[in-house]
Amino acid sequence: DQQVKQNSPSLSVQEGRISILNCDYTNSMFDYFLWYKKYPAEGPTFLISISSIKDKNEDGRFTVFLNKSAKHLSLHIVPSQPGDSAVYFCAASGGTGNQFYFGTGTSLTVIP
Amino acid sequence: DTAVSQTPKYLVTQMGNDKSIKCEQNLGHDTMYWYKQDSKKFLKIMFSYNNKELIINETVPNRFSPKSPDKAHLNLHINSLELGDSAVYFCASSQVNYYNEQFFGPGTRLTVL
Repeated sequence: DQQVKQNSPSLSVQEGRISILNCDYTNSMFDYFLWYKKYPAEGPTFLISISSIKDKNEDGRFTVFLNKSAKHLSLHIVPSQPGDSAVYFCAASGGTGNQFYFGTGTSLTVIP
Repeated sequence: DTAVSQTPKYLVTQMGNDKSIKCEQNLGHDTMYWYKQDSKKFLKIMFSYNNKELIINETVPNRFSPKSPDKAHLNLHINSLELGDSAVYFCASSQVNYYNEQFFGPGTRLTVL
């Protein structure tokens, strides 16, 4: 039972344009969300997070939006750069402990 | 200076064998994890240890046994390996506080033949 879903396995974007990666979740107890970036043959690295008390968090070119009523979050990358090409995982946590549930990832390709 | 390291990076073995994967973190974190990423790219938690104590144990066959000799190390031992165990295994660590991201190791790609 997958509680965090990333329905787009891949996305291609031209350099300089906006990349929008989407994530949906089913558990209304989730109150903390993170995005991780993963390059081939490396582990995921933390990118940006948001707690449920906010609907937006921005860090440089990266912005995460949270729509609690729709149980949806998105990661915007503006402007996209070729170095952003990687797999992006959405993760969510809530309730007890610090157990995170991950989506299956979206592979982003930024075309120069 | 590697924060979370895993050895080996690649592991190829026959069905029925027993193997171990080691993980070490030098971040001073309280909590360590093992994740499995299967062929569908689904990253799923297996175990979590906090200060050498098991706090999360998802539905994992008991052929998998984590061992934490100290809070900087969390090893994963797998008995009687099966074809379905082929996956990439990631170790991670974090501070115990709830709103802290996890730091991942580079992964160990296990192939069972």
